[in-house]
Amino acid sequence: QSVLTQPPSVSGAPGQRVTISCTGSSSNIGAGYEVNWYQQFPGKAPTLLIYDNINRPSGVPDRFSGSLSGTTVSLAITGLQAEDEADYYCQSYDDSLSGVLFGGGTKLTVL
Amino acid sequence: EVQLVESGGGPVQPGGSLRLSCEAFQFTFSIYWMTWVRQTPGKGLEWVAHINQDGSEEESAASVKGRFTISRDNAKDSLYLQMNSLRAEDTAVYYCARVSYSPGSQIDLWGQGTMVIVSS
Repeated sequence: QSVLTQPPSVSGAPGQRVTISCTGSSSNIGAGYEVNWYQQFPGKAPTLLIYDNINRPSGVPDRFSGSLSGTTVSLAITGLQAEDEADYYCQSYDDSLSGVLFGGGTKLTVL
Repeated sequence: EVQLVESGGGPVQPGGSLRLSCEAFQFTFSIYWMTWVRQTPGKGLEWVAHINQDGSEEESAASVKGRFTISRDNAKDSLYLQMNSLRAEDTAVYYCARVSYSPGSQIDLWGQGTMVIVSS
């Protein structure tokens, strides 16, 4: 099935580490297509957070990191801050759909 | 400032048509794939369509195929989305965005979005 599965929500206290998973299949992540992550605040457009599984655009703090294991890509946020509270989306390409796929999004709550 | 500015959104009746426009500023528009992504209020992101640098290749989501057409005019640094046979489920914020280098690669610049409301 051509979907990217993310947990609907995660939470953590300030200073803690949280991870958000993005699980795909053989037609997207398993086919070698890379995953990108976006951060979105309410009422705002998304912004690029991680690209090609592990790379950070300039200006993104190194508290944000990406990793890949099989057909699951993960976003880790260390030293959690209140300003990190946002929605996070993964994105890749899917052969079966012949198009771009977004995960369902994960709402991060900083306790 | 490098930016994308959408226009053309608004209310429309079911079955109606609307054309969204997106103008690019301060970058070489003609060398990038471009895409439209939409977001239903309170919901997630959904890819709509993308188009290559000269407009000769395009792909669109199954949910809009046959109803929506993406196009571009490099002379005007502009991207378009012609939306026909609109349905209530097409109600969303539509974002114009720049694709880094190829279909599926990262979207590195987003517009502010334009709202489309399909309702009778």
